[in-house]
Amino acid sequence: ILNVEQSPQSLHVQEGDSTNFTCSFPSSNFYALHWYRWETAKSPEALFVMTLNGDEKKKGRISATLNTKEGYSYLYIKGSQPEDSATYLCASERNSGYALNFGKGTSLLVTP
Amino acid sequence: GAGVSQSPSNKVTEKGKDVELRCDPISGHTALYWYRQSLGQGLEFLIYFQGNSAPDKSGLPSDRFSAERTGGSVSTLTIQRTQQEDSAVYLCASSLAEDRGLQDTQYFGPGTRLTVL
Repeated sequence: ILNVEQSPQSLHVQEGDSTNFTCSFPSSNFYALHWYRWETAKSPEALFVMTLNGDEKKKGRISATLNTKEGYSYLYIKGSQPEDSATYLCASERNSGYALNFGKGTSLLVTP
Repeated sequence: GAGVSQSPSNKVTEKGKDVELRCDPISGHTALYWYRQSLGQGLEFLIYFQGNSAPDKSGLPSDRFSAERTGGSVSTLTIQRTQQEDSAVYLCASSLAEDRGLQDTQYFGPGTRLTVL
């Protein structure tokens, strides 16, 4: 994998559903994996930064896991709420520099 | 505290004109980044400033793009002779970047939406 890939591109769930998205990234020269949440007309909000293989982080109803050997990360949202509606971005950071390499994002819509 | 701010929030310009986009990073953050998101694309790295070091300009798409960071704080991204393909949301981010061994979070501003007619 040369670029960061996210799937699905978009997702529509009902309030209360749990959901998850996938981020695939280059495993060579890996340094860190970042997850952001971006609501329309707002700044992207940092959710997690993960570096260690097998790492799992949690923030409220949102959690993320990391597999650096195979180059993927999952983001989980438990009991989705309408306010979770946003685009979720992942980005890889390689040890050759600080620049983040972003995927195109997963757009989540949660309806009541 | 105050986050990263950017101005203007929206800019509409005519093809061939020059534009300047401004970024005020979080106070005390030594690292500053510019990214852009064109329609249908992911965020694309443009340029990175760290302290007094020479900037990493590897992401600038052409020599029409330049950026400065004065006094280690405010940054200006300049696009000369704008083209329609320059239309995008331009985002600025800053981070502490004190220690490469730490998980360094980049904090983003709200962006400038540039439209080139």
